[in-house]
Amino acid sequence: GENVEQHPSTLSVQEGDSAVIKCTYSDSASNYFPWYKQELGKRPQLIIDIRSNVGEKKDQRIAVTLNKTAKHFSLHITETQPEDSAVYFCAASLPTGNQFYFGTGTSLTVIP
Amino acid sequence: DADVTQTPRNRITKTGKRIMLECSQTKGHDRMYWYRQDPGLGLRLIYYSFDVKDINKGEISDGYSVSRQAQAKFSLSLESAIPNQTALYFCATSESGWRETQYFGPGTRLLVL
Repeated sequence: GENVEQHPSTLSVQEGDSAVIKCTYSDSASNYFPWYKQELGKRPQLIIDIRSNVGEKKDQRIAVTLNKTAKHFSLHITETQPEDSAVYFCAASLPTGNQFYFGTGTSLTVIP
Repeated sequence: DADVTQTPRNRITKTGKRIMLECSQTKGHDRMYWYRQDPGLGLRLIYYSFDVKDINKGEISDGYSVSRQAQAKFSLSLESAIPNQTALYFCATSESGWRETQYFGPGTRLLVL
């Protein structure tokens, strides 16, 4: 199966700075890469996703980039705000089914 | 997302007991999943179901069983609970076909003593 690695496990940034979270995957056939945000005590919620036929996708302050050759994808958050503090999970999905393989999560803290 | 619900939300049980966690959805999705979340390990797939007659094991199915009673209901059972099954359990749903976004329930926090 697929193996997804996520780094860093914890990240602290000053409010207004940018945050970058990186994930690598092992199976080159993976074609869908969602990112989930989980606030303390809440359920994971999709914040952005990207498919393998696209190299970059942006939604306001959040962007995701995908490098298929290197098999890695990254989440970029610009102008961070305290409400961005949460655990972020990346995931990869193979086209053969709808199983998501999740990374181990990054705990982001935005310091006011 | 209020369209995916889980009961109970919290449960304390003893080693060896049988326990069932229930998930219901009103989203009309065909696909349903059970995950467990442990600190530092992320979300790991236990079982998934693409329709009522289709049940598949995930990454960590040992010690668990599931039942898909209807399109809208998917239950997870621990036949004989053990302490290392203490975790946060999430149900999720998704549409079939090209739209793959998974929607999570609020979670069930389980403590096995």
